[in-house]
Amino acid sequence: DFQMTQSPSSLSASVGDRITITCRASQSISRFLNWYQQEPGKAPRLLIYAASSLQSGVPSRFSGSGSGTDFTLTISSLQPDDFATYYCQQSYSAPWTFGQGTKVEIK
Amino acid sequence: EVQLVETGGGLIQPGGSLRLSCAASGLTVNTSFMTWVRQAPGKGLEWVSVIYSGGTTDYADSVKGRFTVSRDNSKNTLYLQMNSLRADDTAVYYCARESSHKRSSYMDVWGKGTTVTVSS
Repeated sequence: DFQMTQSPSSLSASVGDRITITCRASQSISRFLNWYQQEPGKAPRLLIYAASSLQSGVPSRFSGSGSGTDFTLTISSLQPDDFATYYCQQSYSAPWTFGQGTKVEIK
Repeated sequence: EVQLVETGGGLIQPGGSLRLSCAASGLTVNTSFMTWVRQAPGKGLEWVSVIYSGGTTDYADSVKGRFTVSRDNSKNTLYLQMNSLRADDTAVYYCARESSHKRSSYMDVWGKGTTVTVSS
């Protein structure tokens, strides 16, 4: 199975900050990488698919980049609704696998 | 509005069985790829199973031989039959639609989840 490793596991930031979360795959996954946001007690929400495509309805402050084994999710200006846990997921090779998550907390 | 609603979770003893349901509206389960994803308490997301539009199924190694995914087209409902349950099956179970674009697959519609607790 493809292993997905996110860093950091958690971070503290303030409203308005620019933050970046990294996801690394154990082998090349081309651009078959998705990002999800999960607020406490809620279901995951798709943010980015195919490494950099913004899902409909997702604010433009979210962006994704990368290919091969290294990917990033950037939030350009952190908003109160963005304090949540973020997961990457590869869809290159079954079974689909997720990163362990990055919790974004309020500083 | 596209919606998925899971039901059927609960407290079950180890070795027992449970069937989860996922009722869909605004989408048709038999023309979609439908997945189950679970999340153990305080842990991350784990893909569990998929049923493709053609009816082919696939499972995570951790549940293969114990779980069965199926669908009822007349009820537009997805199911997960879980047998020989173990404590490490304790989780919130989500159903999700898997969509694709230019060979990229992603889960774009999620239910709110149903909680399964395996304990004596």
